[in-house]
Amino acid sequence: DTAVSQTPKYLVTQMGNDKSIKCEQNLGHDTMYWYKQDSKKFLKIMFSYNNKELIINETVPNRFSPKSPDKAHLNLHINSLELGDSAVYFCASRYRQGTEETQYFGPGTRLLVL
Amino acid sequence: AQKVTQAQTEISVVEKEDVTLDCVYETRDTTYYLFWYKQPPSGELVFLIRRNSFDEQNEISGRYSWNFQKSTSSFNFTITASQVVDSAVYFCALSEAYSGGYQKVTFGTGTKLQVIP
Repeated sequence: DTAVSQTPKYLVTQMGNDKSIKCEQNLGHDTMYWYKQDSKKFLKIMFSYNNKELIINETVPNRFSPKSPDKAHLNLHINSLELGDSAVYFCASRYRQGTEETQYFGPGTRLLVL
Repeated sequence: AQKVTQAQTEISVVEKEDVTLDCVYETRDTTYYLFWYKQPPSGELVFLIRRNSFDEQNEISGRYSWNFQKSTSSFNFTITASQVVDSAVYFCALSEAYSGGYQKVTFGTGTKLQVIP
């Protein structure tokens, strides 16, 4: 069973389009994240939801909006796509108890904006 | 402002050698978290460890060990008896403690480790 799944795996689209990436975790974790890795492999955290509440909101353009219908899902919607949005987007879920923490990542969604 | 420096861009070692990946951080916070992640050539991300700022005890997990020293603001990662499967890019990251609302996380630029058979 896949712990954290993302769809689609690849996404090729034109500038100006709106697209969504879906993420689901079956681990029962309360916290989920979206990360972005650009073409130079720089990693950046974009959003985090804890029990459907936003607790991290890095300075990403407001064209990006996370949507969490329930704690097992954290979808990423992107409006008016730009060339610079081309990247790999990783979803993750987090388990934390006391000082212990583990994060599980999805396989990534490779977005190419033409 | 937070900053994470991984000065080693690429490291090559021969299998079975020990290797240490350096991570130096800057923060004004007294409470924070430090992380290491692994990204193999296949591209997935793997979480390795989180360390709290108030816990300077070193951590060992199999061939992996982490040395956290607040005095030098470093959180170094050592792989003992390296194996080809350790070849990957390793990222260090720093996170402020959650203070309600928003939280900042900063990643280093990564160290690419190549283990040569």
